[in-house]
Amino acid sequence: DGGITQSPKYLFRKEGQNVTLSCEQNLNHDAMYWYRQDPGQGLRLIYYSQIVNDFQKGDIAEGYSVSREKKESFPLTVTSAQKNPTAFYLCASSVLAGSYEQYFGPGTRLTVT
Amino acid sequence: GQQVMQIPQYQHVQEGEDFTTYCNSSTTLSNIQWYKQRPGGHPVFLIQLVKSGEVKKQKRLTFQFGEAKKNSSLHITATQTTDVGTYFCAGAGANNLFFGTGTRLTVIP
Repeated sequence: DGGITQSPKYLFRKEGQNVTLSCEQNLNHDAMYWYRQDPGQGLRLIYYSQIVNDFQKGDIAEGYSVSREKKESFPLTVTSAQKNPTAFYLCASSVLAGSYEQYFGPGTRLTVT
Repeated sequence: GQQVMQIPQYQHVQEGEDFTTYCNSSTTLSNIQWYKQRPGGHPVFLIQLVKSGEVKKQKRLTFQFGEAKKNSSLHITATQTTDVGTYFCAGAGANNLFFGTGTRLTVIP
């Protein structure tokens, strides 16, 4: 069963703590992406990776970090420096970076209090 | 930076009425994609338009790409309750997609 998995679906953390969101894909896609979605807003790009061991900042990278050590995995760390971390986080992948169809995971809803 | 604007932000229709959402880019796009996100779900790819003036249909959904490749529209004929959700357009950049803000469609039975 191919696809993208994100876990957990819901995550609760105290302010000041770093938290890592997982994203795994078995589609053999080179490119992976992290988006943040807030109510009434579209998808805002946090980071993307075109290939293993490479990643670039998106529009709202401040307070976030990523790694891409394996093709299948692209974890996102929400650091304590992120001022408003409570949001719905979506991971996606595409066969290559650029204008290709993106496949999305089910998302992780992070609540920080 | 590249921006994709989408209107309206919200639309409420009676079941059976038509619905249209519009997408405009500040720059020429190599292609445009449309996604649907059901309430509580994740975006799912619907279609990609590449050619200037292209029109594609999927059952009751009609997608258009403008002649200048700067705008696009999605039209749903005779909406059904299964059409509820948020529809996003996405313009293709060099290495990623630029998503519009989405149009949230509510269908009243």
